[in-house]
Amino acid sequence: DAGVIQSPRHEVTEMGQEVTLRCKPISGHNSLFWYRQTMMRGLELLIYFNNNVPIDDSGMPEDRFSAKMPNASFSTLKIQPSEPRDSAVYFCASSLTSTEAFFGQGTRLTVV
Amino acid sequence: GESVGLHLPTLSVQEGDNSIINCAYSNSASDYFIWYKQESGKGPQFIIDIRSNMDKRQGQRVTVLLNKTVKHLSLQIAATQPGDSAVYFCAGPNQAGTALIFGKGTTLSVSS
Repeated sequence: DAGVIQSPRHEVTEMGQEVTLRCKPISGHNSLFWYRQTMMRGLELLIYFNNNVPIDDSGMPEDRFSAKMPNASFSTLKIQPSEPRDSAVYFCASSLTSTEAFFGQGTRLTVV
Repeated sequence: GESVGLHLPTLSVQEGDNSIINCAYSNSASDYFIWYKQESGKGPQFIIDIRSNMDKRQGQRVTVLLNKTVKHLSLQIAATQPGDSAVYFCAGPNQAGTALIFGKGTTLSVSS
């Protein structure tokens, strides 16, 4: 298995633009997580899906952020409109159990 | 709410020395903890986990100790190598037990 696949690896965009981050979880995993990592706040859980259904989105910072999981093999995290303070590394992770989560390589987002 | 946190943001050791990375947690109901390693430009990678009914667990060159009395766990790396240089995170379940929450991380630097 190729592991969790995220795209793009790097994204530079202008303030106000829409940004879409993509994730393909490990086949067979039933849980998917989106995390955001910054120097100041570390790794923060944004949203968690189980069997494609959003279970907990309490970590989503604002209405500008939205996430979808239309099927078991694909998820998106969208920011619209983007702001400079959204600059961070965004990780997608998947798991089969409630314990170990497997992380993708991350998307480094820079909003200028 | 629940939290996990590391004691020291950085740790510098000489190659061949043993390294000890510490972590404290607040949720006494947590039934497991996980240590992750994150190398530069990559996502966090699972190292070892420990269940709350255990005091110690050993892996290859790594040992995790859990002290439930003081809500503390540690990761010990034996004979530290330059390839061990990374950021190390402890993680535990959130209140609902549905996702992992992470500490801020300790950056381990190994010099030859």
